[in-house]
Amino acid sequence: ETGVTQTPRHLVMGMTNKKSLKCEQHLGHNAMYWYKQSAKKPLELMFVYNFKEQTENNSVPSRFSPECPNSSHLFLHLHTLQPEDSALYLCASSQDRGVGVGYGYTFGSGTRLTVV
Amino acid sequence: GNSVTQMEGPVTLSEEAFLTINCTYTATGYPSLFWYVQYPGEGLQLLLKATKADDKGSNKGFEATYRKETTSFHLEKGSVQVSDSAVYFCALADYGGSQGNLIFGKGTKLSVKP
Repeated sequence: ETGVTQTPRHLVMGMTNKKSLKCEQHLGHNAMYWYKQSAKKPLELMFVYNFKEQTENNSVPSRFSPECPNSSHLFLHLHTLQPEDSALYLCASSQDRGVGVGYGYTFGSGTRLTVV
Repeated sequence: GNSVTQMEGPVTLSEEAFLTINCTYTATGYPSLFWYVQYPGEGLQLLLKATKADDKGSNKGFEATYRKETTSFHLEKGSVQVSDSAVYFCALADYGGSQGNLIFGKGTKLSVKP
């Protein structure tokens, strides 16, 4: 029980599909993060939300669209993806983006995305 | 800016060998330091952390000591097991006012052979 749940665990989608990844945390945290993890590359921070407001977008292509309806839920909407977008997508949460970062992040198990 | 550098992998050890994974950091102030572990097919899990100089974090037989004088936070374990095979990430808390983040190293893959 990590406290951060991601669904689905695995997703295969065609380049013309639209799908969404879901992340839910039950920790009472106020900041949530999307990371991309590709083989042989460092972790890439994609988006950050703090108290439901997007506070960071690290030059992510518009085919990735985040949504944070409340502090407990985070979505990543996907459309017209490319094969190079195949990766493990990780969601994380932290108490906040201030001193709460000092307590660390809690990660979900990730969604393994394959774009065909 | 703040950064974390950890040793390149992969590291391959035999069971019961001693493990050291080096991590050094660059930071202003005194950030909290972390080690995370990622088992195959899983997300990252917090392994241990230290919040101030000379603190020792420990968990599951792993230890790391916050060394301010050498800006290091090396991960050690006296006797590794096959089940320790995973990728290990060093990280520091970059508070940055209200825009704090964890800054992660690139990860070190550990393979333990029976």
